[in-house]
Amino acid sequence: NAGVTQTPKFRVLKTGQSMTLLCAQDMNHEYMYWYRQDPGMGLRLIHYSVGEGTTAKGEVPDGYNVSRLKKQNFLLGLESAAPSQTSVYFCASSYSFGSTEAFFGQGTRLTVV
Amino acid sequence: DQQVKQNSPSLSVQEGRISILNCDYTNSMFDYFLWYKKYPAEGPTFLISISSIKDKNEDGRFTVFLNKSAKHLSLHIVPSQPGDSAVYFCAASATGSGGSNYKLTFGKGTLLTVNP
Repeated sequence: NAGVTQTPKFRVLKTGQSMTLLCAQDMNHEYMYWYRQDPGMGLRLIHYSVGEGTTAKGEVPDGYNVSRLKKQNFLLGLESAAPSQTSVYFCASSYSFGSTEAFFGQGTRLTVV
Repeated sequence: DQQVKQNSPSLSVQEGRISILNCDYTNSMFDYFLWYKKYPAEGPTFLISISSIKDKNEDGRFTVFLNKSAKHLSLHIVPSQPGDSAVYFCAASATGSGGSNYKLTFGKGTLLTVNP
């Protein structure tokens, strides 16, 4: 049981480049989330999804887009990367019957130069 | 406006003593609270949770206390061990709101260091 898997683990982008971060979960969870972690800021919610085909904005959605075409996958896209998007990104999933805790992936460290 | 606050960025304790991590919240709709532990270069892992219908939940060395009137919760670790050294995040959700919202709001975290 892999849980939540994020790819890639590391990436360096040039300003203006685009990329997609992939999150996959095998726990049949309804909810999926993308967070970013910055020093002194804790975990801030970027976007989330309450089910296949749905997405919603979190606290810091600007500059990001997401898609949830399949229940097990949640994609985070950066259309035009900026240095302010240098961060560690965490995907999480939660909520199956009897479970409310969120499970996190191992993180993606993204540097935009 | 920060809805979940961990006002102590760091805490240092001796091995074998009690560690007490604190968390305050402002949103009265929050009814489910969780603590996560995070080691460097890893994702956060779930530690313990508490529903608003309880005021205490215990799991081994870890106990979470909830004071709803003060909008305050705390995590007690007894006895503390060097392997407990990590960043601890407090999180909250409003599960009772319309639509069964399980979205988590996190605090900024507290770095716990347990010295041998």
